[in-house]
Amino acid sequence: AQKITQTQPGMFVQEKEAVTLDCTYDTSDPSYGLFWYKQPSSGEMIFLIYQGSYDQQNATEGRYSLNFQKARKSANLVISASQLGDSAMYFCAMREDSNYQLIWGAGTKLIIKP
Amino acid sequence: GAVVSQHPSWVICKSGTSVKIECRSLDFQATTMFWYRQFPKQSLMLMATSNEGSKATYEQGVEKDKFLINHASLTLSTLTVTSAHPEDSSFYICSAISGSGIGETQYFGPGTRLLVL
Repeated sequence: AQKITQTQPGMFVQEKEAVTLDCTYDTSDPSYGLFWYKQPSSGEMIFLIYQGSYDQQNATEGRYSLNFQKARKSANLVISASQLGDSAMYFCAMREDSNYQLIWGAGTKLIIKP
Repeated sequence: GAVVSQHPSWVICKSGTSVKIECRSLDFQATTMFWYRQFPKQSLMLMATSNEGSKATYEQGVEKDKFLINHASLTLSTLTVTSAHPEDSSFYICSAISGSGIGETQYFGPGTRLLVL
């Protein structure tokens, strides 16, 4: 079974609009961490935001926020006021307490239209 | 934020030659480094995990004699693709962490594009 599911292969969004990228996960570990990375066409993987399973509040980093719904096992990334430079692949990943490796989703290709 | 460099960025080589890729953590000591391979339009595929001073742990299906990993210091890990063939052409990217906590962020190098002719 997929441990990280990103159901949106691609998204087109108008510049300045907010965008939500979906991520659902599956784990039986009570302690885990959720990460979002951005990969522009250059290939580098850029860390965006982290949410721990025990964190009481949703993580925020500038224009990025994580809509963490633990009961639903979802960790959606919200980008506010999208910019042309936000066009990239976005990957959701999880680390379980029992395994320090990252488990990756398939990614979502986001294209911001001017 | 933590910086990880990777060298070279691009490699074009002839079939049968060996290629070495370096991954360095520039401003922190990396207890663990990871090597990934990424095919076009796909997610990252973990190849191996290396800890400083010990043998790398390879993922199932990854040939350890083909992809030699050396983590000689807390700031340097190398991946050598031995006797490269066209099917080894891919994007190789490394990452590093400085601890083992659940929230420890993996910081990535810029990646190396390998083309084997």
